[in-house]
Amino acid sequence: SQKIEQNSEALNIQEGKTATLTCNYTNYSPAYLQWYRQDPGRGPVFLLLIRENEKEKRKERLKVTFDTTLKQSLFHITASQPADSATYLCALVPTAGNKLTFGGGTRVLVKP
Amino acid sequence: DVKVTQSSRYLVKRTGEKVFLECVQDMDHENMFWYRQDPGLGLRLIYFSYDVKMKEKGDIPEGYSVSREKKERFSLILESASTNQTSMYLCASSGGDGGGYTFGSGTRLTVV
Repeated sequence: SQKIEQNSEALNIQEGKTATLTCNYTNYSPAYLQWYRQDPGRGPVFLLLIRENEKEKRKERLKVTFDTTLKQSLFHITASQPADSATYLCALVPTAGNKLTFGGGTRVLVKP
Repeated sequence: DVKVTQSSRYLVKRTGEKVFLECVQDMDHENMFWYRQDPGLGLRLIYFSYDVKMKEKGDIPEGYSVSREKKERFSLILESASTNQTSMYLCASSGGDGGGYTFGSGTRLTVV
C-alpha cells in the first residue's frame, strides 16, 4: 500500500541548533514533494517544493533534500528559533495526477 | 495578499442536518480541494475540482458532496451530518503549475 511516513514523535531542539525532519514514502513515484508548516488551529502554509530531478532546494534558513533512490526527503531548519515551533508536513504529488497526499506531520518545539 | 477564505471558523450542527461549508479563493486558480484533518489520521482528501462544474472523488468521499458553479467558489456539502464527521475541514486551491497549495484557515465542525 502507499504510505508517507513522518516521525510522529515531537522533535525538541535547542535554539540555534539545526532541526532535521524525515519524510519517507513507499509505492509512490512522485513528480515533486512539498513541505508545509502548520500552526495549531490554522491551515498549512506552503514552504518549499522540490522536483524529482532536483537533489536539494534552499530558502533562507530552510533546506530540503530529495533522494528518489532512498524514497526519502529531509527537511532542515538551520539556526532554529522559538518562532519555528510548529508542525511540519511533507506532501507529494504522484507522477500521474495533481492531488497532494500528506504525511502525518512532525511537531517541532524549539526551546530558548 | 492572496487568500482562500472559508466562511466559518467554528460550526456546531445537529445530527441529520444538511451542512454547507463554503470556500472562496481570489487567485483565479483552476484547482480546488477539500480536506479533513483528524488527530492521528492527518489530512485526508475528500473531493477536488479541476474546473468549474467538474469534481473528482478523493480518498474519503462517502457522506459528502461538492459544488463548483463558479471558478472562485467550492462548496462542501454534508447531506446528513453524523457525529463521525466532527473534524477540522480545510479548503485549498492551486494553480496547477506544480506550485504549492494555498489553504484556508479551516472550519472546525462539531456534530452533536
